[in-house]
Amino acid sequence: QKEVEQDPGPLSVPEGAIVSLNCTYSNSAFQYFMWYRQYSRKGPELLMYTYSSGNKEDGRFTAQVDKSSKYISLFIRDSQPSDSATYLCAMIDGQAGTALIFGKGTTLSVSS
Amino acid sequence: KAGVTQTPRYLIKTRGQQVTLSCSPISGHRSVSWYQQTPGQGLQFLFEYFSETQRNKGNFPGRFSGRQFSNSRSEMNVSTLELGDSALYLCASSWADSNTEAFFGQGTRLTVV
Repeated sequence: QKEVEQDPGPLSVPEGAIVSLNCTYSNSAFQYFMWYRQYSRKGPELLMYTYSSGNKEDGRFTAQVDKSSKYISLFIRDSQPSDSATYLCAMIDGQAGTALIFGKGTTLSVSS
Repeated sequence: KAGVTQTPRYLIKTRGQQVTLSCSPISGHRSVSWYQQTPGQGLQFLFEYFSETQRNKGNFPGRFSGRQFSNSRSEMNVSTLELGDSALYLCASSWADSNTEAFFGQGTRLTVV
């Protein structure tokens, strides 16, 4: 079992839909949780990060962390065709080091 | 402000050769990490350098090595290339002690034939 599991999709939604992207993890020592967006032939771009449990909002994006369930989510409101990309969750075990442990990514397609 | 710059963008090498990839971090960032991205394994951590010292290392064979210079620029070297080393190699830089805000370059696409 990989440390971080992420449904690869693809996930197809119409423009304006609310998108929910999720990751589960097995390492209870993970403390920092990040979401990256990667367009084709580009490097990952940091969307947001959260520390421990709770919610964080940034514009149309909301990140949620539930450490008790070892489950994190990224919600995208009013999705746009420009949101079509691969979304990667990443985590850091602050005690073990600073390496980012990534899920394999979910491919999202938003149609106009 | 310039982002993370990786050179070259594309590289084709023959099995058994060695290769060196370069990464220039964002100005002021002292941490540089390297990742390998493949369709099968996703993004996997190779190693991290902070102030010219290797701070963390992933589970890759010794053929993969790196270094960081005093200006924070970093190089990664892969010796005795194998077909399975074909991948997108990504460099990320961060100013913080943790890597909660790591910024990635566009990567070097390495193809081993």
